[in-house]
Amino acid sequence: GAVVSQHPSWVICKSGTSVKIECRSLDFQATTMFWYRQFPKQSLMLMATSNEGSKATYEQGVEKDKFLINHASLTLSTLTVTSAHPEDSSFYICSASGTDAETQYFGPGTRLLVL
Amino acid sequence: GESVGLHLPTLSVQEGDNSIINCAYSNSASDYFIWYKQESGKGPQFIIDIRSNMDKRQGQRVTVLLNKTVKHLSLQIAATQPGDSAVYFCAETQYQAGTALIFGKGTTLSVSS
Repeated sequence: GAVVSQHPSWVICKSGTSVKIECRSLDFQATTMFWYRQFPKQSLMLMATSNEGSKATYEQGVEKDKFLINHASLTLSTLTVTSAHPEDSSFYICSASGTDAETQYFGPGTRLLVL
Repeated sequence: GESVGLHLPTLSVQEGDNSIINCAYSNSASDYFIWYKQESGKGPQFIIDIRSNMDKRQGQRVTVLLNKTVKHLSLQIAATQPGDSAVYFCAETQYQAGTALIFGKGTTLSVSS
């Protein structure tokens, strides 16, 4: 089956620094990638949808200047958390879908802890 | 926006029992539904899906039932095993390219031996 990887799997950073998370589709071309955030004991909340070569579409309440998303190729999307604060500590999960459209494949997630 | 909800936050069963996890969805435009299993610290794992032109679909030990009249979805797990312990989410979307999933709140399934 299709595989999606994320890097890093976990990261600890100081408040005020920026963190980049990578999402890669390893064996298929991801036309669309999605970024979700999950707080402890809560569900996955969609942050943004990105299509290769286009600007990401952000969900209401998600600051686009704080969560920078780049989808420069069909196999890579990046999420950069700028000027991270402790409240940004969360589990960030990406998913990707290819030309067969409706199926989404999830990455293993990235645990971010901001001190 | 509209969201998918789950009726019970936790479900505890004995090994070998059948488990039923329920989900209510609210978006009438949704025509594709998926159940995911999430273990602690991991991403969601696909279990089974169903399109709105069906009311039942079976997989290995799992069955999904869809009742469009009352916007209700359920996941049945037969002969539940300790390895089935996890959080289960239903998700709804539209069966077309580039459409995001809307996740329900999740049900934690605990299976005791």
